[in-house]
Amino acid sequence: KAGVTQTPRYLIKTRGQQVTLSCSPISGHRSVSWYQQTPGQGLQFLFEYFSETQRNKGNFPGRFSGRQFSNSRSEMNVSTLELGDSALYLCASSLGLEVGTEAFFGQGTRLTVV
Amino acid sequence: AQSVAQPEDQVNVAEGNPLTVKCTYSVSGNPYLFWYVQYPNRGLQFLLKYITGDNLVKGSYGFEAEFNKSQTSFHLKKPSALVSDSALYFCAVREWYGNAGNMLTFGGGTRLMVKP
Repeated sequence: KAGVTQTPRYLIKTRGQQVTLSCSPISGHRSVSWYQQTPGQGLQFLFEYFSETQRNKGNFPGRFSGRQFSNSRSEMNVSTLELGDSALYLCASSLGLEVGTEAFFGQGTRLTVV
Repeated sequence: AQSVAQPEDQVNVAEGNPLTVKCTYSVSGNPYLFWYVQYPNRGLQFLLKYITGDNLVKGSYGFEAEFNKSQTSFHLKKPSALVSDSALYFCAVREWYGNAGNMLTFGGGTRLMVKP
């Protein structure tokens, strides 16, 4: 069974540009969440999608957005990139919204903003 | 609001010795607790979870965790450490928001160093 796939693995962008990251969840999983990992702030929740609807959103500016498609694949977009957006972006998929269900993470996309 | 604390940035242990990685939590309702491990340049791998039931939870790679409600703790343990266990460990709590979904709140992580 294939795991969570995130593309691309590495990305270098310039300040002011925008970027789109992609996540393909485990087959049959309908919930996708995104997290940002930085050395200073640790792991922070960005948003969660289920059945193409955003269910929950973390405390990030509106420059961070996402969406989920009918096949459960998800994308997140960051516009007007800032140096502080450099981070490892992790996608996690879960079977559903049940609170006791574990999330399975992809290997992440490492974004560097220069 | 939920929160998780991992009081130790790093834990050093000799191979073959038992290891403990500490975690305390704060939630307003029932706690749903998880441990994840992260190897360099990799995502997070699920180790184990506590939802309800026995306070001692067994997980992957010989790890277990003990849930203590009175101390609001969920410490990760392993009877005999391996050098290959050296990695970054994260404790997380999940809180349910009904139709608003749920989210994981992570601790700051503990780096485990197992020396031969």
